[in-house]
Amino acid sequence: GAGVSQSPRYKVAKRGQDVALRCDPISGHVSLFWYQQALGQGPEFLTYFQNEAQLDKSGLPSDRFFAERPEGSVSTLKIQRTQQEDSAVYLCASRLGGVYEQYFGPGTRLTVT
Amino acid sequence: QKEVEQNSGPLSVPEGAIASLNCTYSDRVSQSFFWYRQYSGKSPELIMSIYSNGDKEDGRFTAQLNKASQYVSLLIRDSQPSDSATYLCAVNSGAGSYQLTFGKGTKLSVIP
Repeated sequence: GAGVSQSPRYKVAKRGQDVALRCDPISGHVSLFWYQQALGQGPEFLTYFQNEAQLDKSGLPSDRFFAERPEGSVSTLKIQRTQQEDSAVYLCASRLGGVYEQYFGPGTRLTVT
Repeated sequence: QKEVEQNSGPLSVPEGAIASLNCTYSDRVSQSFFWYRQYSGKSPELIMSIYSNGDKEDGRFTAQLNKASQYVSLLIRDSQPSDSATYLCAVNSGAGSYQLTFGKGTKLSVIP
């Protein structure tokens, strides 16, 4: 079956622009996670959804970051007024209920100029 | 602050040798442990999960867990050049939180 998909794969934004990153999880996966990966680092947790409920947003670095999953499937991570320090790869992962394994999408590489 | 520590490497091994990758974690209540492989420019790919003390084998990969020492390792037998990648250790503390805490990764190079 299809894996996690993300779009766009690459995004260049000028500082101050808003961006929206999309994640389409594996069909039937109830949990969805967003991570941020800076160059040379491991992924860092941003936020977690169970179906449409955002159960943990403790990793969002500022109130410029907002995520939603209104129908419990596709999720969007929005970054307002982008800053250079937001440049990173944004990874989405999904998890089937009842197990712990998370499967990652290909990521969106965001470059803020 | 939950921490996961890995030697960043690079770790170089000759083709056919055993590669040994190590990881320690700080949160004693951690319950589940994962190894991901990440090729340059690609996203992490799950290769092993382990939940209880001891060894778990899957093909050429063996994960080892020692909760008392807060230590988890990955052995790759008969290393191949295609195993050259960064290996990320990830830990989940359970208790209703499903987020993963990752180490920075160990870069492995398998020399033909």
